[in-house]
Amino acid sequence: DTGVSQDPRHKITKRGQNVTFRCDPISEHNRLYWYRQTLGQGPEFLTYFQNEAQLEKSRLLSDRFSAERPKGSFSTLEIQRTEQGDSAMYLCASSLGTFNGYTFGSGTRLTVV
Amino acid sequence: EDQVTQSPEALRLQEGESSSLNCSYTVSGLRGLFWYRQDPGKGPEFLFTLYSAGEEKEKERLKATLTKKESFLHITAPKPEDSATYLCAVQEALTGGGNKLTFGTGTQLKVEL
Repeated sequence: DTGVSQDPRHKITKRGQNVTFRCDPISEHNRLYWYRQTLGQGPEFLTYFQNEAQLEKSRLLSDRFSAERPKGSFSTLEIQRTEQGDSAMYLCASSLGTFNGYTFGSGTRLTVV
Repeated sequence: EDQVTQSPEALRLQEGESSSLNCSYTVSGLRGLFWYRQDPGKGPEFLFTLYSAGEEKEKERLKATLTKKESFLHITAPKPEDSATYLCAVQEALTGGGNKLTFGTGTQLKVEL
């Protein structure tokens, strides 16, 4: 297991389309996080799972966004009816036990045209 | 709400020219301060965690220090491969033992030959 994997790396979609991203965390990590990063900004927290339970959601996560983590393994983030403002890098991170920082994936770059 | 401010926004150094990056923070009670390095098109890579004022940590040419209001990332005799964006973040506890990181906007470092 070499780290957190995200797929796809890049996604270009037309406004109004739905998109889904996948994250595979480090296998023994029970906590999984989604962040969004726009150009020139630091990552912003979106949501967090402990095992399969989604325990926190940011105000940034509008009702067009939904995240799942079935069986506490991989996670998906879906954006419905995409808007140009959704263009960003979507980062997944995972951690285990006593917190000493996340391991981030390489992200999915979304461009909405 | 936690706030993190980083300065300068961008820094250009000659190889071997030492300098420091600043991260000032406002939190109700610091649980941890994190430094990450981010290369273009990639996710942030963990560097250091600091927990209490006076603490210092080192890794190769980097040293992170912490006071009650700010943290510094000192870069000694930098090389071109140190060029990256350096992000600072503060930790906030979430439900169920998770942790949210609030990031600054980063300092973009360019080291030239």
